[in-house]
Amino acid sequence: GDSVTQMEGPVTLSEEAFLTINCTYTATGYPSLFWYVQYPGEGLQLLLKATKADDKGSNKGFEATYRKETTSFHLEKGSVQVSDSAVYFCALRRNSGGSNYKLTFGKGTLLTVNP
Amino acid sequence: GAGVSQSPRYKVAKRGQDVALRCDPISGHVSLFWYQQALGQGPEFLTYFQNEAQLDKSGLPSDRFFAERPEGSVSTLKIQRTQQEDSAVYLCASSLEGYEQYFGPGTRLTVT
Repeated sequence: GDSVTQMEGPVTLSEEAFLTINCTYTATGYPSLFWYVQYPGEGLQLLLKATKADDKGSNKGFEATYRKETTSFHLEKGSVQVSDSAVYFCALRRNSGGSNYKLTFGKGTLLTVNP
Repeated sequence: GAGVSQSPRYKVAKRGQDVALRCDPISGHVSLFWYQQALGQGPEFLTYFQNEAQLDKSGLPSDRFFAERPEGSVSTLKIQRTQQEDSAVYLCASSLEGYEQYFGPGTRLTVT
């Protein structure tokens, strides 16, 4: 079945450091890929997405590129801020076939950014 | 505008009690989803509604779990005879069909 594997946390960085959170997936066909963020006490929010190979999703300084060859969708940010401290989830959704509506999530990566 | 709301935000139940968790989706959203998020894990799919029709309940862990959306708007997830392994955060999401899912803040259920 479909699965998402993401980098185990927690990740602790100093402000302005470079961030990478790795994500790889297993799925039938070519799914859409997502990064969600969960700030303390809040619900999941969509951070960025990519719907086909080589697409780059970007938002709030975060970027991720859909790599079909390596089945990866790594999240990057050049300079993190304290306000980026949150849990980050990688997820996929099938684009065709059965169950092309539900999200399959990784386990999440806790990011803490210190001033 | 208003997002997805869930109530209660926190629920403590004694083992064996029944609980009901409510989800108010964004107005006009056809699709509604329930996910279960165990501690330290990512959300896992439970069930999916399109309007009032429950099209997929394959993720419900046992027949103690039941979900409904009788008028195609508000949804209730009911858990009968709660067990300790039911302790988790229950997330509701809604969407226009085929588009981004918007999540509520979740209900944290603790079974003692």
